[in-house]
Amino acid sequence: DAGVIQSPRHEVTEMGQEVTLRCKPISGHDYLFWYRQTMMRGLELLIYFNNNVPIDDSGMPEDRFSAKMPNASFSTLKIQPSEPRDSAVYFCASRDRGEQYFGPGTRLTVT
Amino acid sequence: AQSVSQHNHHVILSEAASLELGCNYSYGGTVNLFWYVQYPGQHLQLLLKYFSGDPLVKGIKGFEAEFIKSKFSFNLRKPSVQWSDTAEYFCAVNVGSARQLTFGSGTQLTVLP
Repeated sequence: DAGVIQSPRHEVTEMGQEVTLRCKPISGHDYLFWYRQTMMRGLELLIYFNNNVPIDDSGMPEDRFSAKMPNASFSTLKIQPSEPRDSAVYFCASRDRGEQYFGPGTRLTVT
Repeated sequence: AQSVSQHNHHVILSEAASLELGCNYSYGGTVNLFWYVQYPGQHLQLLLKYFSGDPLVKGIKGFEAEFIKSKFSFNLRKPSVQWSDTAEYFCAVNVGSARQLTFGSGTQLTVLP
């Protein structure tokens, strides 16, 4: 298996623009997690899905952030409008038998 | 809510030195415990995990961790570090039936050649 796949790997955008991050979990994994990593706040859970259904989105910072999982093999995290404080590395992870497998991350820079 | 504390923010060792990184969690019930490693510019990779059974857990690359329930601790150890162990190390816990992980703030390990 190719592991968890994320795209793009790097994204640079201007403040106010819409940003969409994509994730393909490992086939057969029924949980998907979105995390954000910054120097100041470390690793934060934003939202997670079980069988494509959002279970806990309490970590989503504000209404500018939204996440969807239209099917078992694809999820998106959207920021609209983006702000400089959203600059971070965004990780997606999928879970099997208690263990989470992380993707390579998307490094987002908002100028 | 549960929390995870990693008290060592940055550890610097010479090659062949022994390593112990501290991890404490705050939850009195059933926990699953993990150590992840993040090499520079890379994603998190699982080093080892504890679900139940033998409290001394062996992971990849010569790492091990010991679960001490009475101390709410899950410290990571390696008898002899290598330069290639330079990375950031994260302790994580999930509690009971919860599926999400709570991560500690991470410990940056620098191994000098």
